[in-house]
Amino acid sequence: DTGVSQDPRHKITKRGQNVTFRCDPISEHNRLYWYRQTLGQGPEFLTYFQNEAQLEKSRLLSDRFSAERPKGSFSTLEIQRTEQGDSAMYLCASSPWGSSNTGELFFGEGSRLTVL
Amino acid sequence: EDQVTQSPEALRLQEGESSSLNCSYTVSGLRGLFWYRQDPGKGPEFLFTLYSAGEEKEKERLKATLTKKESFLHITAPKPEDSATYLCAVRETSGGSYIPTFGRGTSLIVHP
Repeated sequence: DTGVSQDPRHKITKRGQNVTFRCDPISEHNRLYWYRQTLGQGPEFLTYFQNEAQLEKSRLLSDRFSAERPKGSFSTLEIQRTEQGDSAMYLCASSPWGSSNTGELFFGEGSRLTVL
Repeated sequence: EDQVTQSPEALRLQEGESSSLNCSYTVSGLRGLFWYRQDPGKGPEFLFTLYSAGEEKEKERLKATLTKKESFLHITAPKPEDSATYLCAVRETSGGSYIPTFGRGTSLIVHP
């Protein structure tokens, strides 16, 4: 399977704990996006990378959130000191850049976070 | 103010009952309008990209159209397997950003 892979698919944690999500994009895609989606809402942009460079961050991304993409391959999204309001589906997407970029995002299945 | 507004929020159809979903947008320079389908508990799946007013795209029972202010997703003779949430997203030219902004979606249920 050469699609976008996210791990874990589900995470239940207690308030105040740290959690980390991993995303493996489609191998030839150099753009990688993180979105957050809550029930009944559309995906909300968090941050994106072109290769290893983090080019933009949403104001939704508080200082408790950090994302990395070492060597421009997989990416991690870490949430420190989780709060109940962080409960959501965290979606990763990738896309190619250059002449093949039609703007289409290829999404993973998401990582669902529940903070108790 | 939301850049992308989708209506209705929810739609129930009988199998075979055609209808349309609406996506209105307020970006200054459109660099692509996208339709995605999302099944419960899954990530969105790309359907169409539209770039300019008057453009149309079709796939099976779905047809997407675009004007200068809105897009429609027409569903012809839907089947129960078309039940899903349909998301609209826009990408604008300002600032060179290529980040799609999503609407809240329309939840479609097709009854057999």
